[in-house]
Amino acid sequence: DIQMTQSPASLSASLGETVTIECRASEDIYNGLAWYQQKPGKSPQLLIYNANSLHTGVPSRFSGSGSGTQYSLKINSLQSEDVASYFCQQYYDYPYTFGAGTKLELK
Amino acid sequence: QVQLQQSGTELVKPASSVKISCKASGYTFTSNYMHWIRQQPGNGLEWIGWIYPGNGNTKYNQKFDGKATLTADKSSSTAYMQLSSLTSEDSAVYFCAVGFAYWGQGTLVTVSS
Repeated sequence: DIQMTQSPASLSASLGETVTIECRASEDIYNGLAWYQQKPGKSPQLLIYNANSLHTGVPSRFSGSGSGTQYSLKINSLQSEDVASYFCQQYYDYPYTFGAGTKLELK
Repeated sequence: QVQLQQSGTELVKPASSVKISCKASGYTFTSNYMHWIRQQPGNGLEWIGWIYPGNGNTKYNQKFDGKATLTADKSSSTAYMQLSSLTSEDSAVYFCAVGFAYWGQGTLVTVSS
């Protein structure tokens, strides 16, 4: 199985700050990567697919980048509603696998 | 708009089975893969498998072979997941998701005697 290593596990940032979350795959996943946001008690919401494509309706302060085994999610100008957990997922190969998540809090 | 409405919370006994439903609307049910995902308490996400309702084809995470069975009813646009031989390890929230773009609200399954 492809292992997805996500960092950091938790992150504290101030409003307006830029935040970056990293995800490393155990092998090349050829941009088959998605990012999700999950708030407590809610289902995950798709933010980014194909490593850098913004899902419909997602604010443009979210962006994804990367290639090969290294990928990142950037949140520009952090807003209070961005407080959540974030997960990466590879869908290049079966079984699809997720990172362990990053919990983002306000400083 | 795409909506996935899942069945309610289940409290079930060890060694029993449970069947969760996911009723879809707002898109062509038969032309999109329906995925199922597990989230154990305090843990991350695990992909269980998918079903293609148009022809009933399925693909499972090997970890869930023999544990989960995915089916779909085209007449009611509803996908189902049956979980068998339940243990406390199966206590989790289970999600359906169409193409991973749209998710159901989740179904909590608690296995306890």
